Amino acid sequence: EAQVTQNPRYLITVTGKKLTVTCSQNMNHEYMSWYRQDPGLGLRQIYYSMNVEVTDKGDVPEGYKVSRKEKRNFPLILESPSPNQTSLYFCASSLLNRGGSGANVLTFGAGSRLTVL
Amino acid sequence: AQKITQTQPGMFVQEKEAVTLDCTYDTSDPSYGLFWYKQPSSGEMIFLIYQGSYDQQNATEGRYSLNFQKARKSANLVISASQLGDSAMYFCAMREGMNSGGYQKVTFGTGTKLQVIP
Repeated sequence: EAQVTQNPRYLITVTGKKLTVTCSQNMNHEYMSWYRQDPGLGLRQIYYSMNVEVTDKGDVPEGYKVSRKEKRNFPLILESPSPNQTSLYFCASSLLNRGGSGANVLTFGAGSRLTVL
Repeated sequence: AQKITQTQPGMFVQEKEAVTLDCTYDTSDPSYGLFWYKQPSSGEMIFLIYQGSYDQQNATEGRYSLNFQKARKSANLVISASQLGDSAMYFCAMREGMNSGGYQKVTFGTGTKLQVIP
């Protein structure tokens, strides 16, 4: 089954304790991205990657790191989590066809709910 | 300026009636895509419909249609014959840089919570 898999789905941690949220896709998608969802703010893009070793900042990158060493994986790293990073996180991927093709539809993971105390 | 604006935080619609969810966008990129996603209370993000900036006709997918008015920069979602299962959060999103060799940022609106009344 074509899917984006995120782990963990739920996590409670404490301020300053480094954590990694993994994201893996099995669709051979070039494009991968991370979002956080907060009430009243919708989804905001944290980082995205156009391909292996190609990443760029989204709208809210502060406090996060990413890496894209393999095409299928795009982990999100919180080096020193703070309470304002408590949120619902989504990973998503898509093909990267150019020319306005509808195949650039994002497929989302199930989400990871993170609480930082 | 907000890149994606959804001005209706919440809406009610009677079952079997049609409903329009508003979305306006702002970009100077000539090549972009507009998407609508549905998020039910279970939390997953479900793709509904897509409209490319160069598409001449409005997109349709079953009971969903996208009213694309390029000059007004609006991309409203129309749901015909609402069902109880349509009760959910709906997000409008824009993907820029579709024709470029560079970035492809994606911006979401703040969402509209739709409740279908029996």
